[in-house]
Order: sequence, then C-alpha cells, then structure tokens
Amino acid sequence: DARVTQTPRHKVTEMGQEVTMRCQPILGHNTVFWYRQTMMQGLELLAYFRNRAPLDDSGMPKDRFSAEMPDATLATLKIQPSEPRDSAVYFCASGLARGTGIRNTNIQYFGAGTRLSVL
Amino acid sequence: AQKITQTQPGMFVQEKEAVTLDCTYDTSDPSYGLFWYKQPSSGEMIFLIYQGSYDQQNATEGRYSLNFQKARKSANLVISASQLGDSAMYFCAMVGTGGGADGLTFGKGTHLIIQP
Repeated sequence: DARVTQTPRHKVTEMGQEVTMRCQPILGHNTVFWYRQTMMQGLELLAYFRNRAPLDDSGMPKDRFSAEMPDATLATLKIQPSEPRDSAVYFCASGLARGTGIRNTNIQYFGAGTRLSVL
Repeated sequence: AQKITQTQPGMFVQEKEAVTLDCTYDTSDPSYGLFWYKQPSSGEMIFLIYQGSYDQQNATEGRYSLNFQKARKSANLVISASQLGDSAMYFCAMVGTGGGADGLTFGKGTHLIIQP
C-alpha cells in the first residue's frame, strides 16, 4: 500500500530550537509539496519541488524555514529557530506530474502530517 | 491568484441521506482543476475526487460526485447515501493552469457530522 510517510508524527519543542520534519514520498512520484494547517489560516502551501528541484517557496518564511530534497526518497522541512507561532500541523504531499499544464494535473497524496508544538 | 470559498462551516445530516457540500471558486486562469479532500478526526488528508475545467462530464467516484457548474464557478461535492464514517472535515481545493506541478489552494473546509 503506497503512501507518503512523515516523521515525526508529533513534536514538542521549546522556542529557539531547531526542528526538522521528514517526508518520504510515494516511490516513483516526482513532485513533493509542503503544506501547513492552522485553525486561523487553514491549509497553506509552503513550498514544492519537481524532480527534486525547488519550484516555489514563496509561501515560506525565508528567514527561518528551509526545504530541501537531498534525494528522491527524502524531503525535509527545517525551522531554525522555531517560534510559538510555528505551531501547526505540517503536511507533505507527493504526486506524479507527467508534464505541465492543466491536462497533466497530478493528484496529490498526503502524508499523515507532523503536529508541531513550540512552547 | 485563486480563491476557494466554502460557506458551510458545519453540517448535520441523517445517516443514509444525500449530502451536498458547497464550494465556489474564483480564478483568472483559463483552465484549472478542482479537488475535494476528506480529513477525518485522525488528521490525514484523503483525496476523494478531481474535476478538470475542460471536462465535459461531472466527475464521479463511487458514492462521490462533483456537481461542476462552470458559469456559476461552483464545484459542489455530493455524497450519496451518507454513512457514519463520512463524518469528517471536507476541503475543496483548486490548481491553476500550471496543473502538472503546482500547489493547491484550499478552502476553509466544512465539518460534516452524520447522525444515526
């Protein structure tokens, strides 16, 4: 049963600490997306990759957040230093994009999320 | 830029009744795609159904169908014969012309509760 795997599922940390969230996309998928879900803002796109290359990270606070794909089986989202306002559920999603344009829209399959609490 | 509006924060429905969850959208893109996801209390996001703006027919997936009215810019989700397990948050989302590798814009969601 292919699925997106996110670790850790829960993370509690203190303000100022570094947080690293990991995502293993579905094998064979070539797009990876990071979203953040909060009660106030809902689901927001932070960054996304295609074939491991970053396409857009305009939704991400640049001063403290960074997203990378060291290889095709691992995507990471780091926050350094973390702040209480970063508390949220962070989702990773992956998909298979066969081309650009709307007729090549890929379905994004989500992981279970990482629930982050920054105290 | 895209915008998704879901006007029903919460809904109570009797088991076995049909349910319609509203979604309206706004975009300047000439073509786009519309999605519905389900988020049960466990927190995962589950893909339900997809509709391309170029599709002539409304999408269906089992008990789910998407009532797509392009002129009204609406993409309502219809669940037939609701079940207790349908209780969850439901999110409408869209992608623009880029499609193939673009991120989704989500609505705020509708909390659906199915009552026995």
